[in-house]
Amino acid sequence: QQQVKQSPQSLIVQKGGISIINCAYENTAFDYFPWYQQFPGKGPALLIAIRPDVSEKKEGRFTISFNKSAKQFSLHIMDSQPGDSATYFCAACAYGGATNKLIFGTGTLLAVQP
Amino acid sequence: DTEVTQTPKHLVMGMTNKKSLKCEQHMGHRAMYWYKQKAKKPPELMFVYSYEKLSINESVPSRFSPECPNSSLLNLHLHALQPEDSALYLCASSQERDSYKGNQPQHFGDGTRLSIL
Repeated sequence: QQQVKQSPQSLIVQKGGISIINCAYENTAFDYFPWYQQFPGKGPALLIAIRPDVSEKKEGRFTISFNKSAKQFSLHIMDSQPGDSATYFCAACAYGGATNKLIFGTGTLLAVQP
Repeated sequence: DTEVTQTPKHLVMGMTNKKSLKCEQHMGHRAMYWYKQKAKKPPELMFVYSYEKLSINESVPSRFSPECPNSSLLNLHLHALQPEDSALYLCASSQERDSYKGNQPQHFGDGTRLSIL
């Protein structure tokens, strides 16, 4: 129940295209869903996050869509650029006596071809 | 540049050595975390400190010993490590969960790349 399932494992998109990464969870106690972007040799950087009281959040070219009833959320990267090539992790966080314990998805390696 | 600073960036040590990893943040965060990340895998939580007290230990072997000297600093003391402990060690910090806003985002450093010979 503590898992977050992420797909696809890898993704190749042409420059200017839309990248879509999907995540699913089981634990209904999760109440915070961040996405992290990680470049080689760097730590994960917070990209965008959503709480379950909204169905969509947009920041620039990045959008999270959230479906509470299906327990699914996804990241959309519009107008994908070669500089977006990185590993993306979804995550979920629950409050249950443990401070901000993040459960990560398995990651998606995105390659944007010029 | 990240607001969580980790030193050293790289560390090579033998299995009998003792070394320490350091993490510093000046964002006023009261929760700090250690994660271990193997290649092509997500970060795995090791320890959580809340208000300078250890609140979570994810059954980490005792050869890893965390320490939080003050609200801005977090150390990870290493002793008698095994080759399988070679990994990227990440530090993160966050505000404590807010009763109104809920869980708060965690901010990561760039990690220490640890190699055990």
